[in-house]
Amino acid sequence: KNEVEQSPQNLTAQEGEFITINCSYSVGISALHWLQQHPGGGIVSLFMLSSGKKKHGRLIATINIQEKHSSLHITASHPRDSAVYICAVRFQTGGGADGLTFGKGTHLIIQP
Amino acid sequence: KAGVTQTPRYLIKTRGQQVTLSCSPISGHRSVSWYQQTPGQGLQFLFEYFSETQRNKGNFPGRFSGRQFSNSRSEMNVSTLELGDSALYLCASSFRDTENTEAFFGQGTRLTVV
Repeated sequence: KNEVEQSPQNLTAQEGEFITINCSYSVGISALHWLQQHPGGGIVSLFMLSSGKKKHGRLIATINIQEKHSSLHITASHPRDSAVYICAVRFQTGGGADGLTFGKGTHLIIQP
Repeated sequence: KAGVTQTPRYLIKTRGQQVTLSCSPISGHRSVSWYQQTPGQGLQFLFEYFSETQRNKGNFPGRFSGRQFSNSRSEMNVSTLELGDSALYLCASSFRDTENTEAFFGQGTRLTVV
């Protein structure tokens, strides 16, 4: 079964801390997305990865294709980073790729 | 550049009714996909369209259907609504139909079935 596992489910940290959220998946993928969802529902795409590492401001995303694992890091965390972070993958099945499969999300709270 | 627009934002319907939700993608984007988000199941893929053709479909009953128009706008329809269809419905657009393309999400339509 094609599955996406995220950890931790909930994370509370102090402002300024280095944050790591992990995502692992069961079989080969064509792409992995990291998404951010604030209260109210809107989703923002943070990164799309198929290999290596990407950085945008204080956010860093890495992926290890052999290990089937990705991490999202937040440096110098700030209360405005409080949100749900969701990992989503596009599995390679059969002759092509299906729609996105999502992890259950990590609820992050950064306290001042 | 305008983002992905979903209408309506909120909707209340009665069991047994049907509902149509609309999604206007970012200008120039030809791929639209739809997702359902519930507290119990999280985010689940519904279907994906590119150039008016359904490319992929998730594991949902036939009551859930969709279409895409020549201007790339998409609609999804749910017939014979059930209480369990209460959810946030999100659409996302992307430029290409290939796997490695970034998706841009709308704000969602929150559907409540009573």
